[in-house]
Amino acid sequence: AQTVTQSQPEMSVQEAETVTLSCTYDTSESDYYLFWYKQPPSRQMILVIRQEAYKQQNATENRFSVNFQKAAKSFSLKISDSQLGDAAMYFCAYRREYGGATNKLIFGTGTLLAVQP
Amino acid sequence: GAVVSQHPSWVICKSGTSVKIECRSLDFQATTMFWYRQFPKQSLMLMATSNEGSKATYEQGVEKDKFLINHASLTLSTLTVTSAHPEDSSFYICSASVRGFYTEAFFGQGTRLTVV
Repeated sequence: AQTVTQSQPEMSVQEAETVTLSCTYDTSESDYYLFWYKQPPSRQMILVIRQEAYKQQNATENRFSVNFQKAAKSFSLKISDSQLGDAAMYFCAYRREYGGATNKLIFGTGTLLAVQP
Repeated sequence: GAVVSQHPSWVICKSGTSVKIECRSLDFQATTMFWYRQFPKQSLMLMATSNEGSKATYEQGVEKDKFLINHASLTLSTLTVTSAHPEDSSFYICSASVRGFYTEAFFGQGTRLTVV
């Protein structure tokens, strides 16, 4: 069975600084997707970034980028120029590729990010 | 991205009554819908997966007679918490997806259920 581990329950960053959130996963499959979701106090789940396992290039979305290490099964999220609005719970998630988005997501336990002004 | 609407946003019900939560995909036809439960400061726990026109697949430990899921159309799934008790109080989230069209599933805004 696939598992997703987030070893940092809480993190803190100063506004305008950079922070990296860690995520490791375990799977025997070769084709899959990895996601980072943000859940602000409103509790609406927001997709931050996705990575297809077959792509070697790390995904980037504006201030958000990932460091995807397939062999190490590591998928960290880097937030640059942190803003107060980045404060939220961040979840790393895995989904197998076969069957597409109709497959369930497997979530990590989350990292609560605080942004200090 | 696509829009998923969940209703109500919050509900308070008396112990022993049933409550229904709706999840609608507004601008796409969702072949698959997922229902999650989330406790404060915890991760999302998948309760069940429902495919349109077929019975829901429940995760281990989830009481199917307690949490009734119906996915009768491609745009609507409902979760009914039957004979609710205070321990059913939680945050419930749905998500919807369509095979082969979108890469990811889309989430509703969630429903906070309080059973008194």
